[in-house]
Order: sequence, then C-alpha cells, then structure tokens
Amino acid sequence: KQEVTQIPAALSVPEGENLVLNCSFTDSAIYNLQWFRQDPGKGLTSLLLIQSSQREQTSGRLNASLDKSSGRSTLYIAASQPGDSATYLCAGEGGGSEKLVFGKGTKLTVNP
Amino acid sequence: DTGVSQNPRHKITKRGQNVTFRCDPISEHNRLYWYRQTLGQGPEFLTYFQNEAQLEKSRLLSDRFSAERPKGSFSTLEIQRTEQGDSAMYLCASSLASRGRFFGQGTRLTVV
Repeated sequence: KQEVTQIPAALSVPEGENLVLNCSFTDSAIYNLQWFRQDPGKGLTSLLLIQSSQREQTSGRLNASLDKSSGRSTLYIAASQPGDSATYLCAGEGGGSEKLVFGKGTKLTVNP
Repeated sequence: DTGVSQNPRHKITKRGQNVTFRCDPISEHNRLYWYRQTLGQGPEFLTYFQNEAQLEKSRLLSDRFSAERPKGSFSTLEIQRTEQGDSAMYLCASSLASRGRFFGQGTRLTVV
C-alpha cells in the first residue's frame, strides 16, 4: 500500500528565500509523481508532473525531482514570493492502480 | 474556461437528506476521478471512471455513495442519507490516459 509523507507540515520563510519541500513514498513502483498547489477553500492546481521515465521537471521558479530508489521527491522554489503562500501537496500513483495517493501537504507562508 | 467544472460550489444539507454533485471534465479527457478531502488532510481517492465504466472504487465509498458517468462525459456523485461525517470537500479530477490529473474547484458539503 502506497503511503506518502510530506515534511515539514508547515514552513514560514522571508520573501526572496529559496526553499525545498520534501515528499517521501513507501512503494518504489511509483509511476507518476505530481505536485499540486492548494489555496484555502479552493481546488488543486497542478504544478509539475514527473512521469515514470523522467527524473525532474521545471516550470519557471519551480523544479521538482524524483528519486525512486530512495523513495523521495523534492520541490524547489526559487526566490519565493508572498503569492507563493499556499499548501503544497505531492501525490503518487503506481502499482497498477489509478489511485493517486496524496500526502497531507506542506503549508507554506512567505512573509513580505 | 475549459478546465474541470464542479457544481454546486457549496452545499449545506440537513442530516438524512440526499445530495448530488456534478462534475464536467476537460472535454477530451477519458478518465474521471472523485476524491474527498477533510480539513488538514490530503485528498482521498473515492472512485475512477474510464469513459463510462467505473473501474475502481475505494472502500471509503460506502453503500450510501454512488457515482455515475453516463455516456462517458459528465459525472455525478450522490450521497444518500447524509451524515455529519460526510462533511468535506468533494473534488473531481480528469486526465487523458496516464497523464497528470487536473482538478476542479471542488464542492464543499456541510451536513448540519
């Protein structure tokens, strides 16, 4: 059974800082790993998708990496801005199931 | 807007009543998913459709829950005899084959 853990649960940083959010999973037979952003009371916005044959993806100030052997993914945010404040969720699927398994998220606050 | 659309956005109902939510996926997406999210938790998988076929159901989906996707287009999620424990955000997502999930804004259900 796939389990996804995100550390830390909450993070507060000053504007401009580079930061890393961590995600670990128990089943290395992961197929896709996806990072999402969620604003309070809203749905999920897809940020980056790392597919089976890939090891990282980049979009603007965001970079996500996937290391199946260690069961870890990281989301790197460069030059953080107050608008980046949100909850960041990682989710993985694999093992023949379409069930995307989520972590509980990291709540990020970027202070001006 | 060609994203995933969910209606209603909010629903308040009395315990014991039936409720139905609707999800309109991105038009070319053949896969549709329902998730439930409670406060402070990541979304939990409920069920998955490929076209009109319901291919996977979570044990979370009790016999009071039913989902349909007639003609492989929009989907409905019905909860019968609602209980206070059903209060949550219900999220719908769609995807094309095994590519990333795209989520709607969710329906927030409050059972009083």
